[in-house]
Amino acid sequence: GESVGLHLPTLSVQEGDNSIINCAYSNSASDYFIWYKQESGKGPQFIIDIRSNMDKRQGQRVTVLLNKTVKHLSLQIAATQPGDSAVYFCAENGGSTLGRLYFGRGTQLTVWP
Amino acid sequence: KAGVTQTPRYLIKTRGQQVTLSCSPISGHRSVSWYQQTPGQGLQFLFEYFSETQRNKGNFPGRFSGRQFSNSRSEMNVSTLELGDSALYLCASSLGPAEGTDTQYFGPGTRLTVL
Repeated sequence: GESVGLHLPTLSVQEGDNSIINCAYSNSASDYFIWYKQESGKGPQFIIDIRSNMDKRQGQRVTVLLNKTVKHLSLQIAATQPGDSAVYFCAENGGSTLGRLYFGRGTQLTVWP
Repeated sequence: KAGVTQTPRYLIKTRGQQVTLSCSPISGHRSVSWYQQTPGQGLQFLFEYFSETQRNKGNFPGRFSGRQFSNSRSEMNVSTLELGDSALYLCASSLGPAEGTDTQYFGPGTRLTVL
């Protein structure tokens, strides 16, 4: 079955530093990847997505990198702020268009002043 | 535009009971997916509906069922509740792809506790 995992379960960074959250996936058929942020007591919030025909996509303070050769995905957050503290999930579609995403276990990002 | 709404936000039930959860997607979205989130298993896919049809189903027992209405609102039902059904149930909506996968937007979830 599909497997989406994260290299580090927790990440602590100082305010203002850049953060990098990594994710590995195993299904080579996956062609859509997405990052979500989940704060305590809330549902996952969309951050950024990328399709397999791209290897980099930038948003506001965030960048997603996709390396299909090694099946690796990363989320970079620039100038990390206390409000960025949350659990971050990567997800992939497993090559399906039928509304199913496969999620990693999540990385807890803590930003300290 | 209003986001995905889920009701109720919290539920407490006892073993053997059944429960119905409701999800209203973002206006214009026709696809609704349901997920179960637990500390042990993470986020797991339950099923997906598009145009009132279940297109995809995860690996959950038949006690878990759902449906979608003509206005795209969706409900999921869990019968004969077990302690292990305690979880956060999340609903996500998307446009419903003409081609490819499109972005899923999540609601706040319904926290179900089974005693």
